[in-house]
Amino acid sequence: GENVEQHPSTLSVQEGDSAVIKCTYSDSASNYFPWYKQELGKGPQLIIDIRSNVGEKKDQRIAVTLNKTAKHFSLHITETQPEDSAVYFCADSGYSTLTFGKGTMLLVSP
Amino acid sequence: EAQVTQNPRYLITVTGKKLTVTCSQNMNHEYMSWYRQDPGLGLRQIYYSMNVEVTDKGDVPEGYKVSRKEKRNFPLILESPSPNQTSLYFCASSGSLGSPLHFGNGTRLTVT
Repeated sequence: GENVEQHPSTLSVQEGDSAVIKCTYSDSASNYFPWYKQELGKGPQLIIDIRSNVGEKKDQRIAVTLNKTAKHFSLHITETQPEDSAVYFCADSGYSTLTFGKGTMLLVSP
Repeated sequence: EAQVTQNPRYLITVTGKKLTVTCSQNMNHEYMSWYRQDPGLGLRQIYYSMNVEVTDKGDVPEGYKVSRKEKRNFPLILESPSPNQTSLYFCASSGSLGSPLHFGNGTRLTVT
């Protein structure tokens, strides 16, 4: 990828609410869009990913949607829990490298 | 257990003193990469390697060197560290570009 914009930078929700994080990309060649969760003191861990031939993917409470025409993709977390509190990074990958967004700090209050 | 191992976890050094941060993976991955993480800037790629003896610059390569003599190891070398290289560094690997990245637990470097 070339450039990835991620919003918001901080997101606070109440336990049980939904959370949505959005990313836009600029590289038309991008074809792989992973999302990573980073807990304090640890390296990022992949939580879900989507490829350019798919519009939506779901894994339990987590889903990712991709709009190739608009060049944006989003992470949706439903029924949030305190353990979902972390920094989330989107990324996109074209032919040569993986580019990350600047991250979203998600705070889930009990 | 499949993992990426970085050492050391914490390092405090002085300006100009050469240092190496080691990275090793046990998953037979071809692709390896180094990132630095700074507040408000996210993860920025320093160098990456598609395979043994193949390395390329990422977005912020100045002041860093890497080598990939063996598939499992990808050390990051700072020949003459400066205070602006104070950061949290992550090594990562994957089977190929476009496959999930596995990250190490990070190395927090302070250069005084």
